[in-house]
Formats: sequence, C-alpha cells, structure tokens
Amino acid sequence: EIVLTQSPGTLSLSPGERATLSCRASQSVNINYLTWYQQKPGQAPRLLLYGASSRATGIPDRFSGSGSGTDFTLTISRLEPEDFAVYYCQQYGRTFGQGTKVEIK
Amino acid sequence: EVQLVQSGAEVEKPGDSLKISCKAFGYSFTNDWIHWVRQMPGKGLEWMGMIYPANSDARYSPSFEGQVTISVDTSISTAYLQWHSLEATDSAMYYCARQGVYGALDYWGLGTLVTVSS
Repeated sequence: EIVLTQSPGTLSLSPGERATLSCRASQSVNINYLTWYQQKPGQAPRLLLYGASSRATGIPDRFSGSGSGTDFTLTISRLEPEDFAVYYCQQYGRTFGQGTKVEIK
Repeated sequence: EVQLVQSGAEVEKPGDSLKISCKAFGYSFTNDWIHWVRQMPGKGLEWMGMIYPANSDARYSPSFEGQVTISVDTSISTAYLQWHSLEATDSAMYYCARQGVYGALDYWGLGTLVTVSS
C-alpha cells in the first residue's frame, strides 16, 4: 500500500504570500492519478487538481500542481482569504496524505 | 447537476447495526465508482473503500476490510455503507464521493455524522 506523507503539517502565511505544499509517496505514483483536495471547516472536501496538475472546474489559476514519481507539489501563488484551509493529496482515489493546514499568520 | 445526497446524522449504541446511504442525482449512477471516506473528529481523511454500481464490485482498504460492507441498489441510484456491530471508535463523519477522471473524487456528499455512545 502506498503511503503519502505531506509536509509541512501546518503552514502559517499571510494573505498575498505564496504557499508551497509537498506530498511525498512511499513508491512511485502514476502522475495521472495524483489528486489534491481542499477542505474548509465544517465542509466536505473539494477537488482542486487531478492528474497532478489539471485544475478542476471552477478552480482559480493561482492553484497549480507539479511533480512526478514520488514527489508532488501544490502551489498557491498568492493566498486569498478563502484559501486558508486544509489540503490533502491522494493517489488513485485511494490513500490520502495526512493533510497540510494553511493558516493565517 | 451532479449531486450526492447522504442520509442524516445517526446516534447509535455500541453493538448496534447501521446502514447509511448516498443517493446519486444528475448522472448515470452505474458507470462511475462510488467511494466512502471516513473523517474522525479533528483528523484527516481516510479512504475506506469503493464500489462499482454496474456489477457491485466492492473493494476495501485493508484497514476497513471485514469491518464495514459497501453495497448499492441501482434501482434507486443509492450506495450504502453498513456496520453489523458499531464501536465507539466508529464515531466519525462519513463521506461518499464519485470517482471521475484519473481516479479523482470529483463530487462529494455533505457527509453523515455517526455518533456511537452508550
């Protein structure tokens, strides 16, 4: 079973700053099957990126993804107030990472 | 519009059985995998398992194999998650989600909160 490890656990940033979130897999992941989600308190998760870098419908272009093999990155170019949330990576609709919380500094 | 409508919150006692539901609207239910995801209070997302409605092919995370049963009723476009004997540690929010392209879970239900307490 592939294990996904996200880092950091918490990221404290100010609005307007750039956020870089990491997702590392215990073995190589098919790039097509690496997915990122956003979850806000009291809400269901929302699909952000699929195929490591393709934005889901309605996701603004300040969200981008990159990576291959075992190392993947979610970047938020300039944080908006609504972006403070928890972000999860997932491989092939199955294993989730433990999440990275992006909080207001 | 695609929607997954989950059943309401449940309060149960240890040892009780429970079946929660996820009804699909706005797409062809039989063609896409439905997944179940657990979120314990204050914790992250855990993948439990999935089912392909067209043939009821169900697959489980090793962590949940034998602990829950995932099923469907295609006549009413509904997926189910079932426990035969609940434990206090089953208290959590449970989400259903549809699998879209490349395995991504593109539509989610709002969740069903299950509380197990004596």
